[in-house]
Amino acid sequence: KAGVTQTPRYLIKTRGQQVTLSCSPISGHRSVSWYQQTPGQGLQFLFEYFSETQRNKGNFPGRFSGRQFSNSRSEMNVSTLELGDSALYLCASSLTGVDSSYNEQFFGPGTRLTVL
Amino acid sequence: GNSVTQMEGPVTLSEEAFLTINCTYTATGYPSLFWYVQYPGEGLQLLLKATKADDKGSNKGFEATYRKETTSFHLEKGSVQVSDSAVYFCALSTYGGSQGNLIFGKGTKLSVKP
Repeated sequence: KAGVTQTPRYLIKTRGQQVTLSCSPISGHRSVSWYQQTPGQGLQFLFEYFSETQRNKGNFPGRFSGRQFSNSRSEMNVSTLELGDSALYLCASSLTGVDSSYNEQFFGPGTRLTVL
Repeated sequence: GNSVTQMEGPVTLSEEAFLTINCTYTATGYPSLFWYVQYPGEGLQLLLKATKADDKGSNKGFEATYRKETTSFHLEKGSVQVSDSAVYFCALSTYGGSQGNLIFGKGTKLSVKP
């Protein structure tokens, strides 16, 4: 079974631009969560999608948004990029996510975003 | 709010040494606790978990016991190998046993020398 895939793996943008990152979950998984990893703040939860609906959201500004498609693939978008958005963005998928008794989250390799 | 504190790294050990990485948490309710490992250039992998007090999670020689009285979940391994070199993250979730909305510690980088 293929793991979680994220594209692109590396991305360089300039301030003010916008960016879209993609995540394909493990086949059969319906929940996709996104995390931001930086040296200063560590790993922080961005949001979770389940059945095309945002079910949970972390404490990030509205410039960060996401969506999920009917095939469970998910995208996250960051508009008006700032230098501080440079980070590794990790996607994780699980069978059903938050409201089940136990669902392991499987992480992708991440997208390394650099904002110049 | 909920938070996780783990010992700062880096930690450098010789092969076959004993490993302890301390982790304490603050949470309302009854969190589930996890240890994740991140190898260079890769995403996170679940190493072990515990969903209630006194549970012991174990995997690949690593162990951690959920101590509610001390709000701790320290990671231990009796004899580390070079292949254990990675960054280790302690995390909690307050949604029962599921892992939606994980809250992570800052991570501890472990380097094992031959």
